[in-house]
Amino acid sequence: TQLLEQSPQFLSIQEGENLTVYCNSSSVFSSLQWYRQEPGEGPVLLVTVVTGGEVKKLKRLTFQFGDARKDSSLHITAAQPGDTGLYLCGTSYGKLTFGQGTILTVHP
Amino acid sequence: SAVISQKPSRDICQRGTSLTIQCQVDSQVTMMFWYRQQPGQSLTLIATANQGSEATYESGFVIDKFPISRPNLTFSTLTVSNLSPEDSSIYLCSVRTGQNYGYTFGSGTRLTVV
Repeated sequence: TQLLEQSPQFLSIQEGENLTVYCNSSSVFSSLQWYRQEPGEGPVLLVTVVTGGEVKKLKRLTFQFGDARKDSSLHITAAQPGDTGLYLCGTSYGKLTFGQGTILTVHP
Repeated sequence: SAVISQKPSRDICQRGTSLTIQCQVDSQVTMMFWYRQQPGQSLTLIATANQGSEATYESGFVIDKFPISRPNLTFSTLTVSNLSPEDSSIYLCSVRTGQNYGYTFGSGTRLTVV
């Protein structure tokens, strides 16, 4: 049983479109992280959300932590080809575990 | 945040042999983590390596297959032994940065077993 359920698994969109990736669980988390990974590299931390209802913005990326701290979302506005990559949500209870990941492809 | 040097970046190995992967961190860290990743998929934790004690393995991973060394607070190795084609994967090491609860990863080792 996956602790974190991430969806969708694949997203293929055109440049300029908006998208949302979801990360859900039946468990309550003290914090949740989002990472982005490009081919040939390790995942890179984008953001950590800690407070229920928290919203964080990173340029065109908006991250939200659910009020009950059981779920999170990543919204990208006006996607660009440079956003292409594997997006991962993760949580840490002394060790970091991930959801299934979302492969995003943004076509020019 | 910490900087991790992982090597080799890739290797092709014959079945039945072993590959040892090294990770060097530019600062002292208590725990180092080893992951496996199939291309295009998420990461699965193999084990946690503490300095001065045996590594703690996750379900489905055993020490005989994935022996780990942690001789000091900046270095660790993962050996994938008795290789089979099913071991073809990407292996990554990681440490907790201490900032924003996040983790830093090495760039990975792509292993192909032939």
